Parts: sequence; C-alpha cells; structure tokens
Amino acid sequence: QKEVEQDPGPLSVPEGAIVSLNCTYSNSAFQYFMWYRQYSRKGPELLMYTYSSGNKEDGRFTAQVDKSSKYISLFIRDSQPSDSATYLCAMISDSWGKLQFGAGTQVVVTP
Amino acid sequence: GAGVSQSPSNKVTEKGKDVELRCDPISGHTALYWYRQSLGQGLEFLIYFQGNSAPDKSGLPSDRFSAERTGGSVSTLTIQRTQQEDSAVYLCASSSGRIAQETQYFGPGTRLLVL
Repeated sequence: QKEVEQDPGPLSVPEGAIVSLNCTYSNSAFQYFMWYRQYSRKGPELLMYTYSSGNKEDGRFTAQVDKSSKYISLFIRDSQPSDSATYLCAMISDSWGKLQFGAGTQVVVTP
Repeated sequence: GAGVSQSPSNKVTEKGKDVELRCDPISGHTALYWYRQSLGQGLEFLIYFQGNSAPDKSGLPSDRFSAERTGGSVSTLTIQRTQQEDSAVYLCASSSGRIAQETQYFGPGTRLLVL
C-alpha cells in the first residue's frame, strides 16, 4: 500500500464548475501538506501549503486538511480551461523535507 | 529571477549506456533534490543535498544511480548501464534550506528514454 493515495482521474468538468480533489495518507507523522499543479511537459509548481487540520483559502483555491481522518482536499471554484493540469498532493514525513507525492489527478476543464 | 534549470530537456539513449543529467538550482538555495516521475506513478524521491552535509541517498533505486553536487551549486545525476525501466522524467528542485519544510521549486525536468 502506498503512503499517499490519489485518484489519477482524469476528472472532466465544465467551465465554471467546482473541482474537488483529494488524497488519503497512512503515515500519521506527516505534518505539512501541499498541492502542486503541473502543466504538460513542465515541472510542478506549488499552489497551496498548509500545516495542521483546517481550511486555507487563496483566491479560487481552498485546501482542507483533516488529520484525524488522514484526508486532504483541494477545491477550485469557478474553474477555467487554464486550470486544466495535473494536480499533485504532497506531504512531508520527516525533518529532511523529503516530499511524499500522490500519483496526481489529471483535471480537464472544458469550455 | 532565474528558476531551476535542467539539461538536457530530452535524452534518448541505448540500453547499457551511461547518462548524465544536470541541474542548476536557484542562486543562493542550499537545498537540492532529485525526483523521478514515471507515468502514473507520481514523483519518487531520489536524493537530497543540504549545504555541506552528507547527502540523503535513501531514495536511489540501485547502485547504478549516483549524484554529486559541486561547490554547493550545480548537481549531476548519473545513471550507469541504463535499463529500459529507467525511462522517466527526472526532476530537480531547490529550496532555501532555512527550514526543512521550505517550498521546493522545480525545474522543467529531463525526459529520459532508454531504448
């Protein structure tokens, strides 16, 4: 079993819809949680960075962490075709900052 | 400012050959990471350099893989006697290294194809 599970999709939504992404994890030592966005043939770029349980909002993006359930989510409101990308969850398991990634979910926003 | 750069962008090689992949981190960043991204597998940690400390090599999949970082800046990942299963995108990231949880900035990756 992988430490971080993420549905690879693809997830197809119409423009303007809410995109809902999630990951589950098994290691209770994870303390910092991130979402990266990766466009085709590009490197991942950080979208959201959260610590501990709760919500964090940044523009159209909301990240949620539920450490008791070992479950994290990313919501994208008012989705745009430019949001079409692969979204990767990641979390840090130890003090060396060694990121553990999910497999990534491919999102397609259709006009 | 300039981001993380990697070269070459693409590399096609024959099974059994050695390859070298290069990473130029963001200037001033003391932490440097190598990851491998295989289709549908997410990113897999390979190796981590932090300043002058001994690197964390715990993610290297075999002794055919090695990496070095010269002068605390540029890093080279070497794969000896390449195998077809080494085909993947190799990503480099750097961070300021002030704390372990600092944001990692990724380069565009090197796409390696072993025939």
